[in-house]
Amino acid sequence: AQSVTQLGSHVSVSEGALVLLRCNYSSSVPPYLFWYVQYPNQGLQLLLKYTSAATLVKGINGFEAEFKKSETSFHLTKPSAHMSDAAEYFCAVTFSGGYNKLIFGAGTRLAVHP
Amino acid sequence: DGGITQSPKYLFRKEGQNVTLSCEQNLNHDAMYWYRQDPGQGLRLIYYSQIVNDFQKGDIAEGYSVSREKKESFPLTVTSAQKNPTAFYLCASSITAHYGYTFGSGTRLTVV
Repeated sequence: AQSVTQLGSHVSVSEGALVLLRCNYSSSVPPYLFWYVQYPNQGLQLLLKYTSAATLVKGINGFEAEFKKSETSFHLTKPSAHMSDAAEYFCAVTFSGGYNKLIFGAGTRLAVHP
Repeated sequence: DGGITQSPKYLFRKEGQNVTLSCEQNLNHDAMYWYRQDPGQGLRLIYYSQIVNDFQKGDIAEGYSVSREKKESFPLTVTSAQKNPTAFYLCASSITAHYGYTFGSGTRLTVV
């Protein structure tokens, strides 16, 4: 069955440190992968997406993610955290072949401290 | 500017009442979705619709109903059969899921 798992419900980093949020998926067909960010009491905003072009995907706000088929992973990174990056981050996956829904991970809350 | 609008932002419901949450989009998207978000539980799919006059149950449809009479609109009714309706509700739309979703800003429903 297709699924997506985010490792770590809470991640805390210092301002200026590397941000690494982990996402693994399970699929028997090629996936389409997404990262979304949610600030308190707001909807989700698309950060970036992988759709079978380049495996390294650059998104907004300095974030990027690398699709690794051998590891079934799509981890989100940012070289230097800002206080404004504090939010909840969701990984999501969908598939070709008429499947018209996103499957969301449980989310990772990122805290950034001075 | 194109977008997806949810209203109201905050909604209070008395026990035993039905309430309707509005979701309107002007993106010309065919598919629309309703999710419920509770603290620590991520997003759970309530209903989705891929075309006008057609919709499918998601993972937690019990106690909810929807309609899709127009491409632009996908209202969600929370009925009195929903025993624990207090949550944050998110509406989304897409051309197809492969392109990702566009989300509304959400409605926070509280039972008083």
